[in-house]
Amino acid sequence: DSGVTQTPKHLITATGQRVTLRCSPRSGDLSVYWYQQSLDQGLQFLIQYYNGEERAKGNILERFSAQQFPDLHSELNLSSLELGDSALYFCASSVGRGGGGYTFGSGTRLTVV
Amino acid sequence: KNQVEQSPQSLIILEGKNCTLQCNYTVSPFSNLRWYKQDTGRGPVSLTIMTFSENTKSNGRYTATLDADTKQSSLHITASQLSDSASYICVVSTTDSWGKLQFGAGTQVVVTP
Repeated sequence: DSGVTQTPKHLITATGQRVTLRCSPRSGDLSVYWYQQSLDQGLQFLIQYYNGEERAKGNILERFSAQQFPDLHSELNLSSLELGDSALYFCASSVGRGGGGYTFGSGTRLTVV
Repeated sequence: KNQVEQSPQSLIILEGKNCTLQCNYTVSPFSNLRWYKQDTGRGPVSLTIMTFSENTKSNGRYTATLDADTKQSSLHITASQLSDSASYICVVSTTDSWGKLQFGAGTQVVVTP
């Protein structure tokens, strides 16, 4: 157990729907990062939050949004889902900027049918 | 063009043999380089992290080297085991980033009996 908790582990939904992925960072970590990994692809950075504020943005679609709550957990909202959104979505956390290391969760596997 | 290039893309080795994975990067200004191991469908797990002044770092049968002058790193796996079958990802961070790391595409290692 890495200390980073992601729920749900698996999610199957239809095109056009909206889903919410949840991440609880490791105790003491202030930064949360979201990554997308499509089949046989590398990790693509989506967005980072630090202590409730958005700090960095990557290749995140406008249909996707995220937020970090006062208790530091984060949610990634995916709307108007398309088949191509099927992927593993990973959350990672770190104490600050990430220089001391990242810890990844076990991911949420999203399947859009 | 990806700022972190890994080679080979994939590798098949016999159990008990050694292998070396390569990572070349152009990311600047350099802060640190990490190697992660990612089992299929699981979150990446950190193996090593090296800063500018570190040339080598070991974690069990895994040994990473870093040449910051040539911007090259390698990961050596000694006496491979079946459980070493995974994707190995090189990740480089800059001193001015807010955690938006540069990921390599990974090297897929398959260890056969």
